[in-house]
Amino acid sequence: DAGITQSPRHKVTETGTPVTLRCHQTENHRYMYWYRQDPGHGLRLIHYSYGVKDTDKGEVSDGYSVSRSKTEDFLLTLESATSSQTSVYFCAISRTGEVYEQYFGPGTRLTVT
Amino acid sequence: AQKITQTQPGMFVQEKEAVTLDCTYDTSDPSYGLFWYKQPSSGEMIFLIYQGSYDQQNATEGRYSLNFQKARKSANLVISASQLGDSAMYFCAMRRSNDYKLSFGAGTTVTVRA
Repeated sequence: DAGITQSPRHKVTETGTPVTLRCHQTENHRYMYWYRQDPGHGLRLIHYSYGVKDTDKGEVSDGYSVSRSKTEDFLLTLESATSSQTSVYFCAISRTGEVYEQYFGPGTRLTVT
Repeated sequence: AQKITQTQPGMFVQEKEAVTLDCTYDTSDPSYGLFWYKQPSSGEMIFLIYQGSYDQQNATEGRYSLNFQKARKSANLVISASQLGDSAMYFCAMRRSNDYKLSFGAGTTVTVRA
C-alpha cells in the first residue's frame, strides 16, 4: 500500500461540463502520473509530474490538464468533458531507487453522458 | 513511445498448472526495465515483478518468474501452480533507464479453472 487515494471513485457527468479528479499521496513521492484505462489499450499515460509545479504531457494529453501545487496532490482536469473521455482513470507514483516501480491508486470510473 | 505487444487477449489454465503470458517489446535503448502488473476483477493494479535489461538472471518472485530473452525482445511471465486467485488481467510494461514513465501492453486475461 503506497498510501494513494483518488476522489471521487465514481462520477457521472454530462458532456461539456468540467471535471476534476484528485489524487492524494501520503509518502512524499516526487513522481506522479495520471493514466486512463480503456479496453484493448491497456493503460495510457495522460500527464505526469516530477515535482511541485513541474508537469509534462503523456501520449494522450489532448483535452486534459493537470496541476500540482503540493507534493501530495495531483489534480487532473477535463475542461469540457466529452463521451470519448469515459474511462477508468488511475493515478500512480514512482518509488525511487533502483527499479522505480509504480504503485497505483484504486482508480476513478468516469462516465460522460 | 516504446511499443509493448501482448498477443494473447485471453487464456484459460487449469488449477495447479503453469501458464506463460507472452510479452514482446520494441526499443532501441540499450538500458530499460520491464514490469508485470496484475489487475483482478476488483480493479486495483498490483506490481508483480521487475526485470532490468542488464540483469544476468531471470527475475523470480514466489510463483512468478520472468522468462527474459533479450535478443528476441521478449519478457514472458510464467505463473507456476496456478490458483483460482490468479484469475485476473495481466499487463506487461516497460520504461527506459533515463525515464520514469511506463508504456503498457494491452493486457492478457487469465482465467483459472478448478
